Amino acid sequence: DIQMTQSPSSLSASVGDRVRITCRASQGISTYLNWYYQKPGQAPKLLIYASSNLQTGVPSRFSGGGSATDFALTISSLQPEDSATFYCQQSYTFPWTFGQGTKVEVK
Amino acid sequence: DEQLVESGGGLVQPGGSLRLSCSASEFTVGSYDMHWVRQLPGKGLEWVSAIGITGGTYFSDSVKGRFIISREDAENSLYLQMNGLGAEDTALYYCARVSRGLWGIGQYDLWGQGILVTVSS
Repeated sequence: DIQMTQSPSSLSASVGDRVRITCRASQGISTYLNWYYQKPGQAPKLLIYASSNLQTGVPSRFSGGGSATDFALTISSLQPEDSATFYCQQSYTFPWTFGQGTKVEVK
Repeated sequence: DEQLVESGGGLVQPGGSLRLSCSASEFTVGSYDMHWVRQLPGKGLEWVSAIGITGGTYFSDSVKGRFIISREDAENSLYLQMNGLGAEDTALYYCARVSRGLWGIGQYDLWGQGILVTVSS
């Protein structure tokens, strides 16, 4: 199975800060990498697909990049509504696997 | 709006069975790969099972031989038959739709609200 490792596991940042979350795959997955966010009591929602493509309706302050084994999600200017847990996920091969999540707290 | 709604969860004794349903609206389940993903209490996300457009099925090692995924096009629904349940299966179960872009890369673009399965005596 492909292991997905996110860093950090949690972070606390202020409104307006630039935030970067990384995701490393245990083997190359090209750009078969997606990002989701989940707020308490809600289902996950798609944020970025195929490494760098913004899902419809997602604010442009979110961006993603990377290929092979190293990926990153960047929030250019953190907003209060960005408090959530963020997950990366590979769809390169079964079993599809998720990172352990990064909990983002907005101070 | 396109929507997925799960049902059929609840409390079941160890060794018991449960059948989850996922009803789709405003799109055709048979036109997409459909997956089940679960979330253990307070934990992260774990892929459980998938059924492809052509009917091929896939399972995680942790549920293989115990769970069956199926689809009923007439009902526009997805199902997960869970047998031999153990405490480790206690989780919130989501059904999710897979969409694919130009390069065939899949992502979950639509999720149900989740249904809780609790395995306990």
